Amino acid sequence: GAVVSQHPSWVICKSGTSVKIECRSLDFQATTMFWYRQFPKQSLMLMATSNEGSKATYEQGVEKDKFLINHASLTLSTLTVTSAHPEDSSFYICSAGGSYEQYFGPGTRLTVT
Amino acid sequence: QKEVEQDPGPLSVPEGAIVSLNCTYSNSAFQYFMWYRQYSRKGPELLMYTYSSGNKEDGRFTAQVDKSSKYISLFIRDSQPSDSATYLCAMSMNTGFQKLVFGTGTRLLVSP
Repeated sequence: GAVVSQHPSWVICKSGTSVKIECRSLDFQATTMFWYRQFPKQSLMLMATSNEGSKATYEQGVEKDKFLINHASLTLSTLTVTSAHPEDSSFYICSAGGSYEQYFGPGTRLTVT
Repeated sequence: QKEVEQDPGPLSVPEGAIVSLNCTYSNSAFQYFMWYRQYSRKGPELLMYTYSSGNKEDGRFTAQVDKSSKYISLFIRDSQPSDSATYLCAMSMNTGFQKLVFGTGTRLLVSP
């Protein structure tokens, strides 16, 4: 199957700082990428859908000014958590694909102190 | 009430056992039903998907969908220690693999 990578795999930051997470499709072009958040013992929750070259579509309850998503190319999408707070600590997973498949990245664990 | 309910487990079975994993859901508009396997510190990988009701078999894995009961199942035959992982069900409406709604996942432990 297709490979999706994420960087970094784990990040610790101080409250009030911003953190950028990269999601790359390594061997295919992804016109659509998805960002999920997973709290311990909870479901993966879709945060937003991004299409290359256009603004992301955010799910209800997700602050678009706090979680900035950029999908500038067919192989790269970034999620920036701005002014992070401890409650933003979570596991962030991206996926790429479309109608017939979604390929997931390995996830990024964010810890905000 | 969550849209998709899944027992988090853990479910512990001996090697060779038949494993049954289940999810229930409340939204009758769901049409696509998927099962993902997730190893620790890895992203989910697709095991099987079905459209609407019915059964689908792939090797040791069988997926069943009963839309009348809003109930889906994944059966694993001849379970192996390498099957130890978290299994997530996911579903979507008429959008295929877009806008997936996930269950919490069931942690499966297969002991040698």
